[in-house]
Amino acid sequence: GAVVSQHPSRVICKSGTSVKIECRSLDFQATTMFWYRQFPKQSLMLMATSNEGSKATYEQGVEKDKFLINHASLTLSTLTVTSAHPEDSSFYICSATYRGRDTGELFFGEGSRLTVL
Amino acid sequence: GESVGLHLPTLSVQEGDNSIINCAYSNSASDYFIWYKQESGKGPQFIIDIRSNMDKRQGQRVTVLLNKTVKHLSLQIAATQPGDSAVYFCAERVNQAGTALIFGKGTTLSVSS
Repeated sequence: GAVVSQHPSRVICKSGTSVKIECRSLDFQATTMFWYRQFPKQSLMLMATSNEGSKATYEQGVEKDKFLINHASLTLSTLTVTSAHPEDSSFYICSATYRGRDTGELFFGEGSRLTVL
Repeated sequence: GESVGLHLPTLSVQEGDNSIINCAYSNSASDYFIWYKQESGKGPQFIIDIRSNMDKRQGQRVTVLLNKTVKHLSLQIAATQPGDSAVYFCAERVNQAGTALIFGKGTTLSVSS
């Protein structure tokens, strides 16, 4: 159980366009979702925390107007990279947990690799 | 902000050897720690976790040790196999359940036959 699915797994777009990445919890209700970004050979860096029905909380240095996060339902969160530029090319990974879970384990999606040309 | 660091960026071992991957964390308030394995192009995969009120936890072929005195975490893999080759991250949770995990820099484990 506790499967998190991301789509698309790979996306290539032109500079200046917007890209939406979906993160779904398939067999549980994700009350909280987290978005991470990972550059090549680096660690996962937390971008934002999203609670269902609330505005996302962004980490310092992450532009909320550029990385739009929507968590409108308990099984879906979306990350939209607006006006993407080559420096936004990265591996974006979502993770999720649910209220009342007594461990800190997060369930991770398989990631979405964004390439901006 | 808080950070979790790893001592060595790479570790190379022979198949069948035991591997030890180390991690130093900085926040004494962290109450939960996890080791994740990440294969190329994939998301992190849970290996083993440990709460701050424990100092050792064993799984199948893996053991996690926690030394709160020196804020050190280690992952021991017994009889390492080529399939264990991946990047290993330790992650810590600061404060309560439902909060994000903060990841360390990662150690690349290479297992040769």
